[in-house]
Amino acid sequence: DQQVKQNSPSLSVQEGRISILNCDYTNSMFDYFLWYKKYPAEGPTFLISISSIKDKNEDGRFTVFLNKSAKHLSLHIVPSQPGDSAVYFCAASASFGSRLTFGEGTQLTVNP
Amino acid sequence: GAVVSQHPSRVICKSGTSVKIECRSLDFQATTMFWYRQFPKQSLMLMATSNEGSKATYEQGVEKDKFLINHASLTLSTLTVTSAHPEDSSFYICSARRGGGQSSYEQYFGPGTRLTVT
Repeated sequence: DQQVKQNSPSLSVQEGRISILNCDYTNSMFDYFLWYKKYPAEGPTFLISISSIKDKNEDGRFTVFLNKSAKHLSLHIVPSQPGDSAVYFCAASASFGSRLTFGEGTQLTVNP
Repeated sequence: GAVVSQHPSRVICKSGTSVKIECRSLDFQATTMFWYRQFPKQSLMLMATSNEGSKATYEQGVEKDKFLINHASLTLSTLTVTSAHPEDSSFYICSARRGGGQSSYEQYFGPGTRLTVT
């Protein structure tokens, strides 16, 4: 039972344009969401997070949007840079301090 | 910062031997550490949750006698793969969570350990 899904295994965008990575979840108990970036043969790096009491959180070029009614969140990167090319995982947590459930990841490629 | 290290980064061992992987939180105390496994082109699979001073909680399907976890201090957890077989070859990643406040949702990951069993 995949409770967190990233339906796009890959995404390719041009440098300078916006990258939009999507994530859907099924468990209505999830109340905290995170995005991680991962390079090959490295551990994931925390990017940005959002609590279910918010619908938007912004940090520099990264913005996460949460639509609770649709059980959908997205990560916007603008402007995209070649160094952003990596696998992006969304993750969700059901209660304070509990385990994270990860999506399958989306490979982002930003072309110069 | 929130730095987590893992050692070794890469290990090759023969079938039947045991391998120990260390996970350390370098600049914070980790009340909880997690061990994940990642197969190529797949998501991170949580293997177990380890709290300092208590027994690890294993996910369904993970053999606790094969994957021994020890969390002896607030900065160190170890994963020992016992009697390793080629199917145990994988990328093992640990993460650590700080206690307190909203930051306890966030996990900080180590760089991972590539295990190859020949």
